[in-house]
Amino acid sequence: AQRVTQPEKLLSVFKGAPVELKCNYSYSGSPELFWYVQYSRQRLQLLLRHISRESIKGFTADLNKGETSFHLKKPFAQEEDSAMYYCALQVDNYGQNFVFGPGTRLSVLP
Amino acid sequence: DAGVTQSPTHLIKTRGQQVTLRCSPISGHKSVSWYQQVLGQGPQFIFQYYEKEERGRGNFPDRFSARQFPNYSSELNVNALLLGDSALYLCASSLEDRGWTEAFFGQGTRLTVV
Repeated sequence: AQRVTQPEKLLSVFKGAPVELKCNYSYSGSPELFWYVQYSRQRLQLLLRHISRESIKGFTADLNKGETSFHLKKPFAQEEDSAMYYCALQVDNYGQNFVFGPGTRLSVLP
Repeated sequence: DAGVTQSPTHLIKTRGQQVTLRCSPISGHKSVSWYQQVLGQGPQFIFQYYEKEERGRGNFPDRFSARQFPNYSSELNVNALLLGDSALYLCASSLEDRGWTEAFFGQGTRLTVV
């Protein structure tokens, strides 16, 4: 069965420190993985998808099929990065059927 | 464009009652999806509709149903409400249903069942 885990409910780092938000998945097919972000009082929105290999707001994520991981990284955290981050797996590479992880709240301290 | 709009924003219902939640997609978007987000968890997929047809269904009981109208707006209905149905219900719209197109989320409807 498909599953997404995010082991940290809360991650606190100081401004300028590196950030790594962990995501692991289980899926029998070829995975399509995404990171979504929700800033305070804003809507859930797409941050990045692995297939595009883009860097968005300084964040990158590499799909590691051997470790079944898709960790989100940023070399220097900013206070405006404080938000809730969700890792998501697209089921059957189809439409909007996503399996979301439980989320990690990132708090960047001044 | 106001983005995806959902109504109402909050509501309280009693166990056993029925509820209808509404969603208006972004203009030009033909696909609408519904998610349930229980406190402390990520969103869980309920339905996807495209061109008024159901294109995907998550692992939810038959008490949950939805439909899409010719103007692409959508309603989610939940019958015989249980306390466990208390959650934030999110609607998302996207251009297409196949492959992948970015989904844009609404602010959600907070349902409390007492």
